[in-house]
Amino acid sequence: KQEVTQIPAALSVPEGENLVLNCSFTDSAIYNLQWFRQDPGKGLTSLLLIQSSQREQTSGRLNASLDKSSGRSTLYIAASQPGDSATYLCAGFSSGSARQLTFGSGTQLTVLP
Amino acid sequence: DGGITQSPKYLFRKEGQNVTLSCEQNLNHDAMYWYRQDPGQGLRLIYYSQIVNDFQKGDIAEGYSVSREKKESFPLTVTSAQKNPTAFYLCASSISPPGSLRGYNEQFFGPGTRLTVL
Repeated sequence: KQEVTQIPAALSVPEGENLVLNCSFTDSAIYNLQWFRQDPGKGLTSLLLIQSSQREQTSGRLNASLDKSSGRSTLYIAASQPGDSATYLCAGFSSGSARQLTFGSGTQLTVLP
Repeated sequence: DGGITQSPKYLFRKEGQNVTLSCEQNLNHDAMYWYRQDPGQGLRLIYYSQIVNDFQKGDIAEGYSVSREKKESFPLTVTSAQKNPTAFYLCASSISPPGSLRGYNEQFFGPGTRLTVL
């Protein structure tokens, strides 16, 4: 069964810093990987979806990569801003029998002004 | 505006009571999902539906029930059999279900319902 891990659980950085959030998964047969942002008490906002045939996706200051062979995905945030403060979740979809998104527990990011 | 709506935003349940959470989408998506989120944890799948009048159990379906009579609507009932229902409930949808010929598409989420047992 697919397991998704996000380390660290919490991260604080000063404004303007570039940062990387990590996501690892156990099943290399992962089909797609999606990154989400969640503000306190709110639903999830989809940030980026990486399809199985892709290695990375970019949207504005965000870049997500997927390396299936190593079981890792990273979310790169450039020139961080206080408004980026939120919990970031990754979720993987395996083409195996589960056929469902498996979520990591998230990294809570705080960008200090 | 296209999107997913959930109601109510906050819900309080007494012991032994069944409650129903509403989820509506106007995105014309085929698939809909219900997740549960507990503090400091990732989301866990309760039920999902790939098409009208069809639904499948997820990892933690015990104590929950769903229906999918219309494409736009996927209500979740939390029954008295669910022993620890206090959580944040999130509904999501995607254009086509996982494993379909159209491949996997992004899941989009509603704003959530926070359920508290009194």
